Amino acid sequence: GNSVTQMEGPVTLSEEAFLTINCTYTATGYPSLFWYVQYPGEGLQLLLKATKADDKGSNKGFEATYRKETTSFHLEKGSVQVSDSAVYFCALSNTGNQFYFGTGTSLTVIP
Amino acid sequence: EAGVAQSPRYKIIEKRQSVAFWCNPISGHATLYWYQQILGQGPKLLIQFQNNGVVDDSQLPKDRFSAERLKGVDSTLKIQPAKLEDSAVYLCASSLVGGSHIDTQYFGPGTRLTVL
Repeated sequence: GNSVTQMEGPVTLSEEAFLTINCTYTATGYPSLFWYVQYPGEGLQLLLKATKADDKGSNKGFEATYRKETTSFHLEKGSVQVSDSAVYFCALSNTGNQFYFGTGTSLTVIP
Repeated sequence: EAGVAQSPRYKIIEKRQSVAFWCNPISGHATLYWYQQILGQGPKLLIQFQNNGVVDDSQLPKDRFSAERLKGVDSTLKIQPAKLEDSAVYLCASSLVGGSHIDTQYFGPGTRLTVL
């Protein structure tokens, strides 16, 4: 079946620290992988995506590389800001465009 | 381009009452999704429409939940009667194509339902 496992939070970092949020997946076939971000009181927003192995998605300083050999799609950012405080969801989409989400990782960045 | 619109944003009801949520997807998007997001969890798909037909409703509790997408545009999700465990945020999303094609989903702000 299809599933996504994310590292549990919450994660608290100081401003300008390096961020890694781990995500691994189980899927049949060749899924696309996504990171969504949810700011307080808002819906999910697409942060980045990758559609095939070795693709790197990037946006707003965040990056993630689709690693088929390790079935991973870890999210990274070199220097986080207070405005990055949010909940981050890893997701996969497979045939039929059904999305499977992880449980989310809450990030708080302190000045 | 306008995003996915949902209303109401918040709703508080007592158990056994009924409630309805409305969603207007991005213009031109063929596929519409309803998700349930319980606090501390990721969204769970309830139902997926392509145009006005149901693609997947395998996780929709059909004894109390119903959804429709008349004319292939707006959609309404109804709960009748509500239970305490229905307290959650109900998210609507849409994508341009869907079906067998993998496509980015765009989410609305959600409706937060509290059942007392």
